[in-house]
Amino acid sequence: EAQVTQNPRYLITVTGKKLTVTCSQNMNHEYMSWYRQDPGLGLRQIYYSMNVEVTDKGDVPEGYKVSRKEKRNFPLILESPSPNQTSLYFCASSLGLAGGLYEQYFGPGTRLTVT
Amino acid sequence: AQSVTQPDIHITVSEGASLELRCNYSYGATPYLFWYVQSPGQGLQLLLKYFSGDTLVQGIKGFEAEFKRSQSSFNLRKPSVHWSDAAEYFCAVGSSGTYKYIFGTGTRLKVLA
Repeated sequence: EAQVTQNPRYLITVTGKKLTVTCSQNMNHEYMSWYRQDPGLGLRQIYYSMNVEVTDKGDVPEGYKVSRKEKRNFPLILESPSPNQTSLYFCASSLGLAGGLYEQYFGPGTRLTVT
Repeated sequence: AQSVTQPDIHITVSEGASLELRCNYSYGATPYLFWYVQSPGQGLQLLLKYFSGDTLVQGIKGFEAEFKRSQSSFNLRKPSVHWSDAAEYFCAVGSSGTYKYIFGTGTRLKVLA
């Protein structure tokens, strides 16, 4: 089954404790992206990757890191989480061969709480 | 700069009634437009998309949307709403020049029995 998986689905952590949210897709997509969803703000793009070793900032990259060492995986790293990063996070992938031409496939989401 | 506006935060309709969700975009070139639906506790699922050609596009679950360049709009419609359509709906625009996507803030649909 074609899918985007994220782990963990739920995470409660404390301020400053480094964490990684994993994302994996089995559709051989070039493009992967991370979003955060907050009430009243919709989805905001954090980082995206056009292919292996190629990443770029979205609209809200501060406090986050990403890497793309393999085509299928795109982990989101919070090196020193803060309470304002409490949010619902989504990973997505698409063919991405022509900019924003293709629809994205979304993972189920990771609800992160930073206390 | 690109932007997407969904002016209605909440909409309530009765089951069987028609539905229109509004979406306005700001983009210099021809946009790639999408509507996604998010059911409670779920990820986002694509309803339909517009890239070029016929300005009236059909999607899944009986939804359609019309691209109106003169009004910078891409409104989502359904002739008869079902209780299972209760969800949050997001309009999004993709850039042909970059790999960025911009989402609207969403419209939450409530369906009355």
